[in-house]
Amino acid sequence: AQSVTQLDSHVSVSEGTPVLLRCNYSSSYSPSLFWYVQHPNKGLQLLLKYTSAATLVKGINGFEAEFKKSETSFHLTKPSAHMSDAAEYFCVVSTRGGADGLTFGKGTHLIIQP
Amino acid sequence: DGGITQSPKYLFRKEGQNVTLSCEQNLNHDAMYWYRQDPGQGLRLIYYSQIVNDFQKGDIAEGYSVSREKKESFPLTVTSAQKNPTAFYLCASSVGTGGRTEAFFGQGTRLTVV
Repeated sequence: AQSVTQLDSHVSVSEGTPVLLRCNYSSSYSPSLFWYVQHPNKGLQLLLKYTSAATLVKGINGFEAEFKKSETSFHLTKPSAHMSDAAEYFCVVSTRGGADGLTFGKGTHLIIQP
Repeated sequence: DGGITQSPKYLFRKEGQNVTLSCEQNLNHDAMYWYRQDPGQGLRLIYYSQIVNDFQKGDIAEGYSVSREKKESFPLTVTSAQKNPTAFYLCASSVGTGGRTEAFFGQGTRLTVV
């Protein structure tokens, strides 16, 4: 069994300040982990993925995430928020690959204050 | 450009009607999927197909049907048996269901019952 918990349903930061979106997972096996971003009324775009290589993963648009097995966490960070980062972010876990094996978190809505 | 195309972007259904949502991909992916998204609930898997002429039920298949006659196409029919069809529907594809591959998403179809 696998599950994923996004610890904040909403996060609000000022433009130019750091972003932290928190994600904890549960998995019986070695997982793959993903972060997706969704802008309003759009599909999901892959930000980054962890697949058992380097634990610090760099993604698009300046985002990165660190896989911490001891803490079962995969938090998403960005050093400086931009107004265009305002969107919904989903943490996703998979233990067997393919979209049928994906378990989605409920999402974190990121608000950027000017 | 390679990608996944969903149509229409917006769809309105009367009570008791069946409607079909289109999903086409030119990524040469074997696997295709349909998800339903409701506010605050993440994504839930409706159906998936790993190969032409074969498909499997996901977590919430009741009231939906699919077909996979061609590799590039995976239409979803929302039948009158689906009691609460108003939602955002997302189609996705992946190279396969094994390994650590991510899913690629279309831009979604918003279905509203009127």
